[in-house]
Amino acid sequence: ILNVEQSPQSLHVQEGDSTNFTCSFPSSNFYALHWYRWETAKSPEALFVMTLNGDEKKKGRISATLNTKEGYSYLYIKGSQPEDSATYLCASPTPSGGSYIPTFGRGTSLIVHP
Amino acid sequence: DAGVTQSPTHLIKTRGQHVTLRCSPISGHKSVSWYQQVLGQGPQFIFQYYEKEERGRGNFPDRFSARQFPNYSSELNVNALLLGDSALYLCASSPLPNTGELFFGEGSRLTVL
Repeated sequence: ILNVEQSPQSLHVQEGDSTNFTCSFPSSNFYALHWYRWETAKSPEALFVMTLNGDEKKKGRISATLNTKEGYSYLYIKGSQPEDSATYLCASPTPSGGSYIPTFGRGTSLIVHP
Repeated sequence: DAGVTQSPTHLIKTRGQHVTLRCSPISGHKSVSWYQQVLGQGPQFIFQYYEKEERGRGNFPDRFSARQFPNYSSELNVNALLLGDSALYLCASSPLPNTGELFFGEGSRLTVL
């Protein structure tokens, strides 16, 4: 069983603060790392799909890094805004029966206070 | 373009009943997977289908079953419902069952009384 861990479980920040959270996964048997943003009453939406060690991806004020050798990924949000409030999930797919099955972490719940 | 659609959005059942949840993938997506999400946990993988064949099954009892139709839509069936089956059931589609991103629906919220 692949264990994907996320920390912290929840985070409260003030508008304008920058923040980051962590996703850790077994460094062996790595294929890809996904980050999703899940707003309340909506569907999870992919932020990044990362595959290469040292990969850095950016989308607006949100960026992510990947270290496959030590088994972690960081998600950074610069200048948090209330609309960034959501649960951020990471997932790592592993092969099974000719397909890839993602294992999800429990998520980090971010609340940005105006 | 329409995203992944799931129905019903909410439903209430009693113990022992069965339920059928439905999912329509994004047009052109041939892979559909199902997840169960309970409060405080990440989505747990239940099934994956590709080209109407089961490609993966998670650690769920045989009361859970699924199928994929020729139009790539999918159904998740749960028999003999237990209180512990109360959860949000998410469907996700993707073009292929590979390491690429998943496209999720908004889920079906099942409450078992």
